[in-house]
Amino acid sequence: QQQVKQSPQSLIVQKGGISIINCAYENTAFDYFPWYQQFPGKGPALLIAIRPDVSEKKEGRFTISFNKSAKQFSLHIMDSQPGDSATYFCAASGSGGYQKVTFGTGTKLQVIP
Amino acid sequence: DSGVTQTPKHLITATGQRVTLRCSPRSGDLSVYWYQQSLDQGLQFLIHYYNGEERAKGNILERFSAQQFPDLHSELNLSSLELGDSALYFCASSPGGQNTEAFFGQGTRLTVV
Repeated sequence: QQQVKQSPQSLIVQKGGISIINCAYENTAFDYFPWYQQFPGKGPALLIAIRPDVSEKKEGRFTISFNKSAKQFSLHIMDSQPGDSATYFCAASGSGGYQKVTFGTGTKLQVIP
Repeated sequence: DSGVTQTPKHLITATGQRVTLRCSPRSGDLSVYWYQQSLDQGLQFLIHYYNGEERAKGNILERFSAQQFPDLHSELNLSSLELGDSALYFCASSPGGQNTEAFFGQGTRLTVV
């Protein structure tokens, strides 16, 4: 019930293309869904996050789409750039207590020129 | 800079030894999380502390222990080290007891030889 399933494990996209990473969760108590970006040798950094009261959130080239009924959410990176090459983790957490952040397994994105 | 400080950045030690990793959370953050990341692997949650109390445990070995002190810094103790314990260990902090964003430190790279 605490799992967050992420796909694909790796992704290669051409510069200018759209990168799409998908996540699914089981625990309906989750109500906060952040995405983290991690460059090699660095700690993950918050990229964008969404709460289930909205179906989409956009920040620059990054968009989260959220489907509450399907318990799925995805990250879209528009106009992907080589500098976006990193590992992306989706995550989920609940409120009202002390629940930990549950991470997906990560997607290694490579944007090729 | 996330505001989370981890020391040391690198640690090389022999099998069977004991090490202590230190984490200073962001100012005002009461929650501290520890994660383990092996080569090309995802983030494995180890343990969560909130204001000095253990709140959640993940896949933490019995050889590992942690604590959070009154000044809110945290230490992760790893004992009877094995080669397989070689990994990046991340600390993250978040404000309050309710999960929102988790801010990660730069990690401690542990190499067991």
